[in-house]
Amino acid sequence: GDSVTQMEGPVTLSEEAFLTINCTYTATGYPSLFWYVQYPGEGLQLLLKATKADDKGSNKGFEATYRKETTSFHLEKGSVQVSDSAVYFCALSDPFRGSTLGRLYFGRGTQLTVWP
Amino acid sequence: DAGVIQSPRHEVTEMGQEVTLRCKPISGHDYLFWYRQTMMRGLELLIYFNNNVPIDDSGMPEDRFSAKMPNASFSTLKIQPSEPRDSAVYFCASSLRETGNTIYFGEGSWLTVV
Repeated sequence: GDSVTQMEGPVTLSEEAFLTINCTYTATGYPSLFWYVQYPGEGLQLLLKATKADDKGSNKGFEATYRKETTSFHLEKGSVQVSDSAVYFCALSDPFRGSTLGRLYFGRGTQLTVWP
Repeated sequence: DAGVIQSPRHEVTEMGQEVTLRCKPISGHDYLFWYRQTMMRGLELLIYFNNNVPIDDSGMPEDRFSAKMPNASFSTLKIQPSEPRDSAVYFCASSLRETGNTIYFGEGSWLTVV
């Protein structure tokens, strides 16, 4: 079945450090891939997405490239800030499953803490 | 634009009591989802609706849980009777088929059963 595996946290970085959070997926068809972010006490917000192979999603300095050959969608940011501290979720939606269009399969989440 | 609206934001109840969580999806969205988040199990999809019709409720833990969507702008998730292990954050989310599977989440209902 469809699933997402992302690196376990927590990840602790100093401000301006480089961030990578790994995400790999298993899917039946050709999924869309997403990164969601959850700030403390809030719901999940879409950070970025990519809908086909080699697409790069980007937002707020974060980037992720849809790699079909390695079934990966790693999240990167060149210089993190304290305000980036949150939980990051990788997710996929597999339209091959017809009526489940729109359903997301989430990874377990990775807690990121950035120190000043 | 208003996002997904959930109520209550926080609820503390005693074991055995009935709990009702409410959700108003984004206007015009045709999918509605109920998720549960716990430290142990992460994010779990409980049930989702398409055009007010339940499509997949395989994630509902047991018969104590029920969900309804009487119209396009309102849904409820009910737990009766509640148990301490039901303590979690319950998220409602909605999406529109044409927007490429992007799902928008509410801020969650934080439930504590004592």
